[in-house]
Amino acid sequence: RKEVEQDPGPFNVPEGATVAFNCTYSNSASQSFFWYRQDCRKEPKLLMSVYSSGNEDGRFTAQLNRASQYISLLIRDSKLSDSATYLCVVNTAEGAGGTSYGKLTFGQGTILTVHP
Amino acid sequence: DAGITQSPRHKVTETGTPVTLRCHQTENHRYMYWYRQDPGHGLRLIHYSYGVKDTDKGEVSDGYSVSRSKTEDFLLTLESATSSQTSVYFCAITGGLQIYGYTFGSGTRLTVV
Repeated sequence: RKEVEQDPGPFNVPEGATVAFNCTYSNSASQSFFWYRQDCRKEPKLLMSVYSSGNEDGRFTAQLNRASQYISLLIRDSKLSDSATYLCVVNTAEGAGGTSYGKLTFGQGTILTVHP
Repeated sequence: DAGITQSPRHKVTETGTPVTLRCHQTENHRYMYWYRQDPGHGLRLIHYSYGVKDTDKGEVSDGYSVSRSKTEDFLLTLESATSSQTSVYFCAITGGLQIYGYTFGSGTRLTVV
């Protein structure tokens, strides 16, 4: 089983639609969670961190369910510029003596295309 | 944006030759990472560093070595390049993983022929 699993999509939605992405992780010791966005042939960029209480940034809402080991991202009022690959990312701290080496594990990504 | 640059941006090399990729940061961050990204596999950790001369292996470290002699530079070497190492290589840094996650460089596209 992969450490971080996402539905690869692709998701094709019209402008203005609401779309949701899901992600599950296997390591219950995981400590922090993120959504990254990656445009074609570019580097991944941090979209938002995900907090246990859920958090919102404009049209984007992220949720975390630690009991189910499940993370979600909701995009409302989709724009053409939202077209990208969305990566679910999990941090499981590792290291001896209490030192965290902070290794991030990435899902394979969910492809989103927003069309006019 | 955080100061992180990778060089070269593109490289074509022949099988069996050594190749070194460079990651340079101006943020004075302690942690640096090398990932490769391939279709169907996503991003996979090759090696990482938690300080000068302190490095460790990731999940796909075979055929790769790294060095970090200065805080700002993290070098990835393919000792004898193979076609399976054709990939896009990303360097990443973090100044506080729990909050900031990683900041990535622009990537190096390596083709081994």
